[in-house]
Amino acid sequence: GQNIDQPTEMTATEGAIVQINCTYQTSGFNGLFWYQQHAGEAPTFLSYNVLDGLEEKGRFSSFLSRSKGYSYLLLKELQMKDSASYLCAVRNTDKLIFGTGTRLQVFP
Amino acid sequence: DARVTQTPRHKVTEMGQEVTMRCQPILGHNTVFWYRQTMMQGLELLAYFRNRAPLDDSGMPKDRFSAEMPDATLATLKIQPSEPRDSAVYFCASGRTGEIGRNTGELFFGEGSRLTVL
Repeated sequence: GQNIDQPTEMTATEGAIVQINCTYQTSGFNGLFWYQQHAGEAPTFLSYNVLDGLEEKGRFSSFLSRSKGYSYLLLKELQMKDSASYLCAVRNTDKLIFGTGTRLQVFP
Repeated sequence: DARVTQTPRHKVTEMGQEVTMRCQPILGHNTVFWYRQTMMQGLELLAYFRNRAPLDDSGMPKDRFSAEMPDATLATLKIQPSEPRDSAVYFCASGRTGEIGRNTGELFFGEGSRLTVL
């Protein structure tokens, strides 16, 4: 079976740091992805982890622990434009299986 | 600027009608995916193709949904007959696989087709 869990909603303040967690239990694993989706728009790729550890890309970082079935997305120096849904997805062979997403609201 | 193109962007139809959604993947991509997104379920995988061959359509209600890829530049998702519970945004995404050791598997999404069945 496939199970990917994320918090439904989070709030944070402009300039702050926020961590969005994702836990997964899947029948196969070939990598973990994070996507960003603004309201009414298509999901866009943020990050990819296939080995344990931290991947940093500008203000965004993503961490993976395969033994724990756990990942997080870290957003630093939050900006208003970071208000969006953040989707955790596990790749199993070619397929990307998505969690239901975390809606992040950034307040001034 | 390469992108996945979907049509129609919006569709309102009545229950029982046939709906066809079309997708043009990015040139050179060999995998195509159909997802459905609702508030309650998030992004659900309906079907996907690799090199135009259907690989997995287990997420799709077989009695009313069908997905095809008649050529490398066109993927279709058809619903017949449509029902109100089919109302959702349908996304097509394409990607490229087969490059072991590289950062592959990233999917590029189209803008989606918002379907409303009355």
